Order: sequence, then structure tokens, then C-alpha cells
Amino acid sequence: DAKTTQPPSMDCAEGRAANLPCNHSTISGNEYVYWYRQIHSQGPQYIIHGLKNNETNEMASLIITEDRKSSTLILPHATLRDTAVYYCIVRVQETSGSRLTFGEGTQLTVNP
Amino acid sequence: DAGITQSPRYKITETGRQVTLMCHQTWSHSYMFWYRQDLGHGLRLIYYSAAADITDKGEVPDGYVVSRSKTENFPLTLESATRSQTSVYFCASSDWGQGALGELFFGEGSRLTVL
Repeated sequence: DAKTTQPPSMDCAEGRAANLPCNHSTISGNEYVYWYRQIHSQGPQYIIHGLKNNETNEMASLIITEDRKSSTLILPHATLRDTAVYYCIVRVQETSGSRLTFGEGTQLTVNP
Repeated sequence: DAGITQSPRYKITETGRQVTLMCHQTWSHSYMFWYRQDLGHGLRLIYYSAAADITDKGEVPDGYVVSRSKTENFPLTLESATRSQTSVYFCASSDWGQGALGELFFGEGSRLTVL
């Protein structure tokens, strides 16, 4: 599996940009990077995904380095409700299908 | 109602008992997944299924059995529950099989306690 490495925790001030890093140095050329978040004990919520190019949606931006060995999730204006565990995941393709393997994630705390 | 539903939401059982957690989705998604999440940790994949009658192991399949006779259902069975299987279990589905690349849709979770 293409493992991912994330810092266990980060803090961010409300209204500021939150930049969450992720290393995935063993990623293969056709494997996508996905980001999810989990608030309390709810089911994880999809944020964004990408392959090579930078991606943006209404929730966040995803910046993937040219060598694809790392990426950064950007929440442009963090709010208190963005406090959650953020997971960076590489989608693994196998003969039986594709799967997402979650790691431990980054606990983001947005402070007032 | 449309969506993905899990049952039961809460279950207490005893060591050695058989337990089945149900997962039902109404979108006709091809992919379905079972994850477990222990307190304070991330999700770990137990089993997944790319289509009806196709299942494969994830990271932690031991002690679990799945089946996928119908596209919309993906039950997870603990044949002989152990205390180490106390966890929150999440089911998810996705339309990856239809060519999409997007999100997994998660159920609300089933909290299982094994005494």
C-alpha cells in the first residue's frame, strides 16, 4: 500500500488558512490522493481528491507536488466547525478492486 | 429513504456469540466497505466488495465474515465475538464501479460492545 504520513495534531486560528500536510512518497503513478475528515464519532466526510493537478472545491484546495510524493490540504478560512480529524489517503488499485486505507490522521483544532 | 443505513446502531453481546451487522444502501453503488474504528484511533478496513458476489480482505479481516449476494446489502458477521472486537463499525458505499472517482458515503456507524 502507498502509506501516508501526517502530523498527529495541528492548531489554527479561526479565520486563518489551515494547511495540512501529507507525505505519500511510495505513491504509484495512477493512484489518487483523497482527503476526508471526521467530526467526533460521525462517519468520515469526503473533502476532495486529486491525481496530479491542484484541485479546488467549495470546501478546500488540494495542492499536489510535481513529484506527487506529498500534498497539502488547504482550508482557506478555518472556522470552529472545521475542528476534526483529517485523513489523507491514497486509493489503492488491486485486481479485486479499489480501496481506501485510512491512517491515524491529523487532529486539527481551530481556536477562537 | 435514500442513503446508506446500518443496523443495529448499538449492540451489546457476550464473548463467543455470533453477531451480524447489517448495511443497506439504496443507490445501487457497486462498491461497499466495512471499517472498524477503535476508540481514539483511525479507521481500519475489514472487508470490501467491488460488486455483488465479489469480496476481498482489508487490513483486519480475521474473525469476520462478509457476503454480498445483493448489490444493496453487505452484512458483516462476527462468528464468535471477542472483547477485542469492541469497536464502532462503519459501512460505506461508492459508485467507483460505474466509472466515478469520488467519495465514499458512510453510514452512521454501529457501536458494538463485547462483554
